[in-house]
Amino acid sequence: QKEVEQNSGPLSVPEGAIASLNCTYSDRGSQSFFWYRQYSGKSPELIMSIYSNGDKEDGRFTAQLNKASQYVSLLIRDSQPSDSATYLCAVNGASGNTPLVFGKGTRLSVIA
Amino acid sequence: KAGVTQTPRYLIKTRGQQVTLSCSPISGHRSVSWYQQTPGQGLQFLFEYFSETQRNKGNFPGRFSGRQFSNSRSEMNVSTLELGDSALYLCASSPVTSGGDTQYFGPGTRLTVL
Repeated sequence: QKEVEQNSGPLSVPEGAIASLNCTYSDRGSQSFFWYRQYSGKSPELIMSIYSNGDKEDGRFTAQLNKASQYVSLLIRDSQPSDSATYLCAVNGASGNTPLVFGKGTRLSVIA
Repeated sequence: KAGVTQTPRYLIKTRGQQVTLSCSPISGHRSVSWYQQTPGQGLQFLFEYFSETQRNKGNFPGRFSGRQFSNSRSEMNVSTLELGDSALYLCASSPVTSGGDTQYFGPGTRLTVL
């Protein structure tokens, strides 16, 4: 049973701080990793994808992947109240044709 | 490009009824996946269709079924509705595969079973 684990939160950070969201996965052969943001009552929207070990930066967002530790994280710099949402980690199986497995999400609250 | 569209956006049904939900993927996308989202269980995979064939299936009872048409539009059907089927049903499309490719979600259909 492939699993993706996230701390459910809520994670509260002050405006302007760095928010750090973490995710672990069980399938060592996983190749693709995604972070989605979901506002209350809305559908998930893609923030970042990462496929190789290391860091990938896009604006205020940085995804970090460590396949040896089976760990992927998302850093949000200069957090804004508009970043308050649930962040979902998604991981694929070892085969590209297997469906994504989603974590249950971490709720982030940025306090103004 | 237009995004993924889902109809209807809201549905209220009673136990025992059946329901059909529709999803139109992004133009050019051939893979359509369906998910059920509930507060307790999170996003759970229902099934994936690619080129009119079911390619993957999650751990849901046979009351949940789906199909895909030649234009990649997809429908899912839930028969003999139960109270526990109340959820947000999300459709996601991707160019080729559901695992390796980025998935783009539609707005969802909120189903309430009374």
